[in-house]
Amino acid sequence: EDKVVQSPLSLVVHEGDTVTLNCSYEVTNFRSLLWYKQEKKAPTFLFMLTSSGIEKKSGRLSSILDKKELFSILNITATQTGDSAVYLCAGANAGGTSYGKLTFGQGTILTVHP
Amino acid sequence: GAGVSQSPSNKVTEKGKDVELRCDPISGHTALYWYRQRLGQGLEFLIYFQGNSAPDKSGLPSDRFSAERTGESVSTLTIQRTQQEDSAVYLCASSFAIEQYFGPGTRLTVT
Repeated sequence: EDKVVQSPLSLVVHEGDTVTLNCSYEVTNFRSLLWYKQEKKAPTFLFMLTSSGIEKKSGRLSSILDKKELFSILNITATQTGDSAVYLCAGANAGGTSYGKLTFGQGTILTVHP
Repeated sequence: GAGVSQSPSNKVTEKGKDVELRCDPISGHTALYWYRQRLGQGLEFLIYFQGNSAPDKSGLPSDRFSAERTGESVSTLTIQRTQQEDSAVYLCASSFAIEQYFGPGTRLTVT
């Protein structure tokens, strides 16, 4: 059974701090690793990582994938209160009838205090 | 352009009643997914459509749950004889490739 595990489950920091969120995965026919930010109901797409060792960056957020060790990290530098959210990672399946199916981790709840 | 929309946004129903949840995907997205998210938990896969066929229904928790899709358009998730444990946010996502784009969800409360 496919499994994605995130750590820590929750994190409380102050504005300006840098955080690293972790995601390990065991996904049959692995295709890609995706990160989402969930503030209220709808998760919003952040990154998709398919190749190992290539950092993807968007503003203060960056992410990298290690396909040998089966994990990914999401870094947020100079955190702001607006970064407070649940961060979800998901493994995408490339195989047959399950093509594109995402297996989600339980999420990391990030709280940024002013 | 328009994103994924879902209706209703909230639904309160009595135990034992049937409910129907609707999802309108992004135009042109061939794949559509339904997920369930219980309070404080991650997203649980329910069913996946490619066009109007469902190659993966492995996540449907019981035969009370069913879903259908019209072409590459609207999908409905039906829960029959609702139980209290069905209370959750039901999220729909659509996709053209791998990255999925989510709707705002339907919060279902079974009393």
